Amino acid sequence: GNSVTQMEGPVTLSEEAFLTINCTYTATGYPSLFWYVQYPGEGLQLLLKATKADDKGSNKGFEATYRKETTSFHLEKGSVQVSDSAVYFCALSVGGSTLGRLYFGRGTQLTVWP
Amino acid sequence: DAGVTQSPTHLIKTRGQQVTLRCSPKSGHDTVSWYQQALGQGPQFIFQYYEEEERQRGNFPDRFSGHQFPNYSSELNVNALLLGDSALYLCASSSLDRGTEAFFGQGTRLTVV
Repeated sequence: GNSVTQMEGPVTLSEEAFLTINCTYTATGYPSLFWYVQYPGEGLQLLLKATKADDKGSNKGFEATYRKETTSFHLEKGSVQVSDSAVYFCALSVGGSTLGRLYFGRGTQLTVWP
Repeated sequence: DAGVTQSPTHLIKTRGQQVTLRCSPKSGHDTVSWYQQALGQGPQFIFQYYEEEERQRGNFPDRFSGHQFPNYSSELNVNALLLGDSALYLCASSSLDRGTEAFFGQGTRLTVV
């Protein structure tokens, strides 16, 4: 089946620290991979995506590389800011009969202290 | 562009009651999906509507039903509410034909007491 396993949180960092949030997946077929971010009291916002192996998605200083050999899509940022504090969700989608459906991980709470 | 809008923002219902949540998709989108996000969990897919029909469904009981209108807006109905239905309900819109990504609304927080 299709599933996403995400690094357990919460993660607490000081401002300007390096961030890694691990994500691995299981999928039927060739998935597209996503990172979504959820700020307090809000819905989900797409942070970045990658649609094929070895693609790197990037946005707002965040990066993630689609690694087919390790079935991973780890999120990284070189220097986090207080404003990055949020919950981060890794997700995948596959085509066919489930086109458009997203499978999410449990989320990782990130707190950045000044 | 107003993006995806959901109403109401918050709702409190009593166990056994019925509830209807509403979603207006982003302009140009024709597909609406609904997700349930329990506290501390990732969103779980409920179902997806396209061309006014339920196109696919997740592992949710028949108490959960929906509808899509000709203007692409959608409703999620939950009957015989249980305490465990308390969650954030998220609507996402997209255009499957054009392969657009899903855009999410801010959600409806449902509390069942």
